[in-house]
Amino acid sequence: EAGVVQSPRYKIIEKKQPVAFWCNPISGHNTLYWYRQNLGQGPELLIRYENEEAVDDSQLPKDRFSAERLKGVDSTLKIQPAELGDSAVYLCASSLSGVSSYNEQFFGPGTRLTVL
Amino acid sequence: GDSVTQMEGPVTLSEEAFLTINCTYTATGYPSLFWYVQYPGEGLQLLLKATKADDKGSNKGFEATYRKETTSFHLEKGSVQVSDSAVYFCALSSIQGAQKLVFGQGTRLTINP
Repeated sequence: EAGVVQSPRYKIIEKKQPVAFWCNPISGHNTLYWYRQNLGQGPELLIRYENEEAVDDSQLPKDRFSAERLKGVDSTLKIQPAELGDSAVYLCASSLSGVSSYNEQFFGPGTRLTVL
Repeated sequence: GDSVTQMEGPVTLSEEAFLTINCTYTATGYPSLFWYVQYPGEGLQLLLKATKADDKGSNKGFEATYRKETTSFHLEKGSVQVSDSAVYFCALSSIQGAQKLVFGQGTRLTINP
């Protein structure tokens, strides 16, 4: 079974440019997460989807970040315009749905963004 | 809010040494606790988990016990190998926290032959 797929794996852009990341979750996983991992830190949640609905986006900087999950499968995270401080690894994860603190999250390899 | 504090790294050990990486947490309710590992060039992988007090999670020779009284979930391994070199993250998930994973800052472990 395929794991969580992310693309691109690496992206280098200049500040003020837009950038987008794509994620395909594990088949059957209705819950999808986007995390940001700064260098030397643990991942921090940006947004969580249940199917196509964003149910927790409290940590998403909405002035420049946006996300969508059309049809409740693939998801795209966009930054426009990018700033130097956005340099990080952006991780996508997926899990089964349900009200449980034990739904294991499976992570993709991440997209490493460098903003120059 | 929920938080996780991990032992600061980096940690460097010789092969076959005993490993302990400390992890303590703050959370409302009864969270589930996890250890994730990130090998060089790879994504995060779940190493082990525990969902209630006194549970012991184990995998690949690693163990951690959910201690509610000390709010701890320390990672241990009796004899480390060079292949265990990686970054280890302690994390929690709670329904009160909207099921998101809250991670510690990570501990980089290097094992020398």
